[in-house]
Amino acid sequence: DAGVIQSPRHEVTEMGQEVTLRCKPISGHNSLFWYRQTMMRGLELLIYFNNNVPIDDSGMPEDRFSAKMPNASFSTLKIQPSEPRDSAVYFCASSAGGNTEAFFGQGTRLTVV
Amino acid sequence: AQSVTQPDIHITVSEGASLELRCNYSYGATPYLFWYVQSPGQGLQLLLKYFSGDTLVQGIKGFEAEFKRSQSSFNLRKPSVHWSDAAEYFCAVGLMEYGNKLVFGAGTILRVKS
Repeated sequence: DAGVIQSPRHEVTEMGQEVTLRCKPISGHNSLFWYRQTMMRGLELLIYFNNNVPIDDSGMPEDRFSAKMPNASFSTLKIQPSEPRDSAVYFCASSAGGNTEAFFGQGTRLTVV
Repeated sequence: AQSVTQPDIHITVSEGASLELRCNYSYGATPYLFWYVQSPGQGLQLLLKYFSGDTLVQGIKGFEAEFKRSQSSFNLRKPSVHWSDAAEYFCAVGLMEYGNKLVFGAGTILRVKS
């Protein structure tokens, strides 16, 4: 398996623009997580899905952030409108649930100027 | 609330020396514990995990960790560090009642000097 695949790897956008980050989890995994990594706050969970259903979105910082998982093999994290303070590395991870670990993608480095 | 503390932000060790990275957690139930490593510009790679059973767990790249319930600790060790071990290391507790979501520590940056 190719692992968790995220795209793009790098994104530079202007403040106010819409940004969409994409994630393809490992085939067969039923849990998907979006994390954000910043110097100030470290790694924090934004949202997680189980069987394509959002279970916990308490970490989503504002209404500007939204996430979808239309099927078991694809998820998006959208920021609209983007702001400079959204600059961070966004990681997607997936797991098979139960007593299993999460596997992380390579991350998307987002820069909002 | 669940939390993970890694008290050392930076650690520098000589190549060939032993290493111990500290991790303490706060969690009401039996924890699932993990150590991940992150190289610059890369994602997180799992080094090892503890779910139950033997409290000394072996991982990849010669790392091991010991779960000590009485101390709420899960310290990572390696007997002889290699230059390629320089990276950032994250301890995490998995919240199984919340779908295995992870709460991470702040990370420890390991520098290896030759």
